[in-house]
Amino acid sequence: GAGVSQSPSNKVTEKGKDVELRCDPISGHTALYWYRQSLGQGLEFLIYFQGNSAPDKSGLPSDRFSAERTGGSVSTLTIQRTQQEDSAVYLCASSLATGLAGGSVTQYFGPGTRLTVL
Amino acid sequence: AQSVTQPDIHITVSEGASLELRCNYSYGATPYLFWYVQSPGQGLQLLLKYFSGDTLVQGIKGFEAEFKRSQSSFNLRKPSVHWSDAAEYFCAVGPFGGTDKLIFGTGTRLQVFP
Repeated sequence: GAGVSQSPSNKVTEKGKDVELRCDPISGHTALYWYRQSLGQGLEFLIYFQGNSAPDKSGLPSDRFSAERTGGSVSTLTIQRTQQEDSAVYLCASSLATGLAGGSVTQYFGPGTRLTVL
Repeated sequence: AQSVTQPDIHITVSEGASLELRCNYSYGATPYLFWYVQSPGQGLQLLLKYFSGDTLVQGIKGFEAEFKRSQSSFNLRKPSVHWSDAAEYFCAVGPFGGTDKLIFGTGTRLQVFP
């Protein structure tokens, strides 16, 4: 079956421009996550959506970052007024449900969007 | 605070040699533990996971990992490395606060020489 897909795969933008990154989770997965992976770093959690609950935005680094999830499926991560330090790979993951049963905790990742801010 | 430590940033092994990648965690309860692999330009692929039961878990591509509660470790092993195993490996622990949120280590880059 189809995995998590992300678009675009690469995005080059100029400092100060806004960018939108898209994530299509695995069908039926109610939880969706965004992570940022900077050069030589691990994965930094950004935001988490679960069903109709309020998203966990605790990882967003600044108010320039926001995300939406429409219809419980597709998600868009928006970065406004991009800065050079925003350059990174942005990874999206999805999972079945909340962490009450082991199998549902497993996150499946998309290929990522490589963002370069000039 | 919960955390994951991968003490080896970069490991180099010869093809056919055995491999062990270290992972130590700090977590207040019985954790769920994961190993993911990331090939260049790719997303993360799940290698294996531990939730409960047998502390030695088998994964894909011939990898295994052993959960040792007394050492707060979940080391990844493979008896004979192949050149295609060259990649970055991430250990992760969770979940937290009723969510599926995971904390990832900073990764270990594996280089394989022929």
